[in-house]
Amino acid sequence: AAGVIQSPRHLIKEKRETATLKCYPIPRHDTVYWYQQGPGQDPQFLISFYEKMQSDKGSIPDRFSAQQFSDYHSELNMSSLELGDSALYFCASTDRGRFSGANVLTFGAGSRLTVL
Amino acid sequence: SQQGEEDPQALSIQEGENATMNCSYKTSINNLQWYRQNSGRGLVHLILIRSNEREKHSGRLRVTLDTSKKSSSLLITASRAADTASYFCATAHYGNNRLAFGKGNQVVVIP
Repeated sequence: AAGVIQSPRHLIKEKRETATLKCYPIPRHDTVYWYQQGPGQDPQFLISFYEKMQSDKGSIPDRFSAQQFSDYHSELNMSSLELGDSALYFCASTDRGRFSGANVLTFGAGSRLTVL
Repeated sequence: SQQGEEDPQALSIQEGENATMNCSYKTSINNLQWYRQNSGRGLVHLILIRSNEREKHSGRLRVTLDTSKKSSSLLITASRAADTASYFCATAHYGNNRLAFGKGNQVVVIP
């Protein structure tokens, strides 16, 4: 079965640079979530999209932006990178209609961002 | 944001033993879920319990929910080395669609 695909898997950037992470949800899933997980930390909700519209916003810095495209893939853009942005970034998707709001998420393998 | 909190945070057990971990939360929930994460990898959904349920089983997993105490527990019976992972509870709340994760509970199963 198809899973959530994230790219790149690993990314190394310098401070103040820009990074873009991509997420391809499971086909026919209508909702995409982005989470950030720092070393030894719990995943922190950043932002979500339902049917290509932003549906919820969490602790996402103003330097970050995200969008979901017509093919349902999503991109997380991070600018003016800081050392503290080094983390695992997870994308997850769900079929909100199927789970009737239960929000069982299928996660991708994550993109590890290292800011030097 | 609402977060579940697991307790204890690290557990080391022998293969075949049971592992129990707890989670508490602060405000009313729609449902509570448990996820597993192997080191540096994505989270995998294990089990979901709705706010009107008290106990649920799935294979070797047993989860309980006490909404009066705003707490949940996850029991893994007859643990295996492959159960070595971090376990997170996550709460879903009315009014938004996010899952709020608590701090992970690291379980090491010694063969």
